[in-house]
Formats: sequence, structure tokens, C-alpha cells
Amino acid sequence: QQQVKQSPQSLIVQKGGISIINCAYENTAFDYFPWYQQFPGKGPALLIAIRPDVSEKKEGRFTISFNKSAKQFSLHIMDSQPGDSATYFCAASTSGGSYIPTFGRGTSLIVHP
Amino acid sequence: DAGITQSPRYKITETGRQVTLMCHQTWSHSYMFWYRQDLGHGLRLIYYSAAADITDKGEVPDGYVVSRSKTENFPLTLESATRSQTSVYFCASSELGQGGTDTQYFGPGTRLTVL
Repeated sequence: QQQVKQSPQSLIVQKGGISIINCAYENTAFDYFPWYQQFPGKGPALLIAIRPDVSEKKEGRFTISFNKSAKQFSLHIMDSQPGDSATYFCAASTSGGSYIPTFGRGTSLIVHP
Repeated sequence: DAGITQSPRYKITETGRQVTLMCHQTWSHSYMFWYRQDLGHGLRLIYYSAAADITDKGEVPDGYVVSRSKTENFPLTLESATRSQTSVYFCASSELGQGGTDTQYFGPGTRLTVL
């Protein structure tokens, strides 16, 4: 059973456009939702994270939107740049449980110049 | 150097051979993890460890063995490699649940090919 569903699997965006990646979860006990960014040949690295006490978190061009009632969260990349081309993973975990995160299957983003 | 390192970075082996992937972290994080990354499957957890001498299975543990005698090291052994174990393997560490920071820090990965 896939507890965190991520879509789309791949995304192509023109430079300057908005990239949107969505994740949906089933476990209502999840209370930590990070996004990881992975460049080719590298390990994933934390990009931005949110907890359910806020509906939105913004760091530069990257924004997480969180909808607790719908059990969905999304990553928005504004003014997408070719350097943003990478694979993005959403994840979810529970602070009061095992803390072990569940990852989505990833989205391969290509930003064309 | 501080951080998390993996060795070797690339490995080619044959079916049936034993191979060990090494992972070392310098932060003294309690938690360590092994993932495999395959196209279409994302990151799948193989094993994890909450502390030295404590290990537990993840989503895909079959065919793998781990140990953790020291906090900083978490080797992953394929006892008899199979072609289906061809993958990129990532080690990660974290201080889960400490101060609200559940960030995982990933190593650079080991690309393993089983012929």
C-alpha cells in the first residue's frame, strides 16, 4: 500500500514557468512533510519542509502548500530555472511514532531554457 | 571531513558473490538508513537502525544483511548478489524526533551492477 502518492512522475516546464508537484497521503498521523531535491549523480537533500500547523511555507522561489482536510500537499517552484532540473521527492513522517519517513516515488523535473 | 560518506561509489559484481557497501557518518546521528533507488520506484527503505546494535527491516529487506556495532558505521551486505539487486544504494542518517528536526542527510550513493 502506497502511503504517499506523488504526481506527476515527470514534468517539463519552460524557463520562467511554474512547476507544481503534488502529493497525497493516507495516514492522518503524519505531521512532518519534507521535500527533497536530488540532482543527477547525487544523494537527495532537504529542500523545504512543513508541519500541519501552517497551510503554506515559502523559501525563496519554493513554496509548500498544505491542505490538511484533503490530506494533500504540494511543491510550487516559481520562476523555474534550468538549474532546478532535478528529481523531487515528497515524504511524510510521524513525530509521535517511529519517525521513519515514507517517500513518494519522485518527480523528474526538466526546465527548458 | 564532516558528513556522510559511502564506499565504494561504483561496484560491479557477479551473481552469487557477496558484496558489502560501507556507510560512515561523522555527526553521531542516532538513526541510519539504507535505501535503494530504482526507476519508477523512488526510494525504498531496506533497513534502518535507531542506535548501535539496534536494526530493523524496512520495505525491501530480503537478500540484505546489516550490522551496526558503532554509531558511525552502518554496512550493508548482499550475501549472494542477484541481478535484481542492481540499483543505486543510498545511506542516510538523522536525529529523528530531536528538537523537531527530522531531516535525513543522504550520502552520495553507490551504483551497484550485478552481472
